[in-house]
Amino acid sequence: NAGVTQTPKFQVLKTGQSMTLQCAQDMNHNSMYWYRQDPGMGLRLIYYSASEGTTDKGEVPNGYNVSRLNKREFSLRLESAAPSQTSVYFCASTPTANTGELFFGEGSRLTVL
Amino acid sequence: KNQVEQSPQSLIILEGKNCTLQCNYTVSPFSNLRWYKQDTGRGPVSLTIMTFSENTKSNGRYTATLDADTKQSSLHITASQLSDSASYICVVSPGGGNKLTFGTGTQLKVEL
Repeated sequence: NAGVTQTPKFQVLKTGQSMTLQCAQDMNHNSMYWYRQDPGMGLRLIYYSASEGTTDKGEVPNGYNVSRLNKREFSLRLESAAPSQTSVYFCASTPTANTGELFFGEGSRLTVL
Repeated sequence: KNQVEQSPQSLIILEGKNCTLQCNYTVSPFSNLRWYKQDTGRGPVSLTIMTFSENTKSNGRYTATLDADTKQSSLHITASQLSDSASYICVVSPGGGNKLTFGTGTQLKVEL
C-alpha cells in the first residue's frame, strides 16, 4: 500500500536552477495538495488541485507552478529557485477538496544555496 | 483571520507519564478538527477527528476533547512511550470545501 509517493526525498539546488517535485497517489483521491513546512511555522498551502484538470493557488504560490498530470499525479515546479524556497515540501491527497483526512507523502527536503 | 494556536510549543516528559496538548482556534464556520502526529522526517498522520457535536474521542492512549463553545481542543496522551516523541499538529476545517487552517504544532519528547 504505497499511498502518496514523493520524489526526490532530498535535493540541493543553486540559486536560479529549476526542478520539479513529483507526487503520485494510488488511493483514487480526487484532490491533491502541495504544502511547505518551515521551522516554527505551520504547514502552508502552495497550490492544490480539487479535481483532475483544475488547479488553484494556495497561501504561498509565488515562485511555484503546478501540473495535475492525471488523477494520480500532481507535480510542483520551481522555475528559478531562491534561498527562500529552502524548505520541506509535502504532497497530500484527500477524497474530495478540503474534506476528510489528509494523506501525506514522506516529504521532499529542498536546499537552495 | 482564521487562526489555530497550539501550546505548549515544546514539551519534555518522562516515559510512562501523561501529558495534555492544547489547541485554540478562531476558525469560523467550524466543521471539524483533526489532530495529526508527525514523526521526525515523516509526513503527518491523522490520529483523530472531532466534529461539532463530539466532546471526547479516544484512539488507544490518545484522547481528544473538543469544547466548541470556547473553541478549544486538547489531546491527552496516557502512559507515554518513547514512540510518542513527535510533533502533534492541530488542523481545523471550516467545511464547505474551504481551506484548512494548521497550527504550528507541539513538539513532544518522551525520555527514559
